[in-house]
Amino acid sequence: KAGVTQTPRYLIKTRGQQVTLSCSPISGHRSVSWYQQTPGQGLQFLFEYFSETQRNKGNFPGRFSGRQFSNSRSEMNVSTLELGDSALYLCASSLVGLGGGPEEQYFGPGTRLTVT
Amino acid sequence: GNSVTQMEGPVTLSEEAFLTINCTYTATGYPSLFWYVQYPGEGLQLLLKATKADDKGSNKGFEATYRKETTSFHLEKGSVQVSDSAVYFCALNMYSGGGADGLTFGKGTHLIIQP
Repeated sequence: KAGVTQTPRYLIKTRGQQVTLSCSPISGHRSVSWYQQTPGQGLQFLFEYFSETQRNKGNFPGRFSGRQFSNSRSEMNVSTLELGDSALYLCASSLVGLGGGPEEQYFGPGTRLTVT
Repeated sequence: GNSVTQMEGPVTLSEEAFLTINCTYTATGYPSLFWYVQYPGEGLQLLLKATKADDKGSNKGFEATYRKETTSFHLEKGSVQVSDSAVYFCALNMYSGGGADGLTFGKGTHLIIQP
């Protein structure tokens, strides 16, 4: 079974621009979560989508948004980029258990975003 | 809120040494606990998990036991190899009924194994 894929792998943008990152989950996984990884803050949860609905959101400004499509693929968008948005953005997918909660999460290789 | 504390390192060991990476957590309920590993330039790989007290997760020679009384989930391996060099993350996950709260991660422990 193919793993989680993320595109692009590397991206360089300028302050003020916007960016869209894409994530394709493992086949059959309907929950997709996004995380930001930086040296200073470590790994932080951005949001989680299930059945095209955002179920939960971390403590990030409204410039960070996402969506999920009917095939469970997901995109995240960052508008008005700031230097501090430079990070590795990781997508993770999981099955959903009988109680509705996520099973263990499987991560993609990430998109390395550099803002100059 | 929920939090995870782990030694950050770097931790440097010789090949075949015994490994312990400490992890303690704070959570308002009963979380699931995980260890993830990240090799250079890659995403995170799930190493092992435990979903309730006294559960032991194990994989590739690594083990960790969910200790509710000490709120700990220490990672151990009896004999490390050079190929185990990586960054190890302890994490917890709570499900509140309204959706996934997202994994809460520790800062990561950089492990270096010398031949």
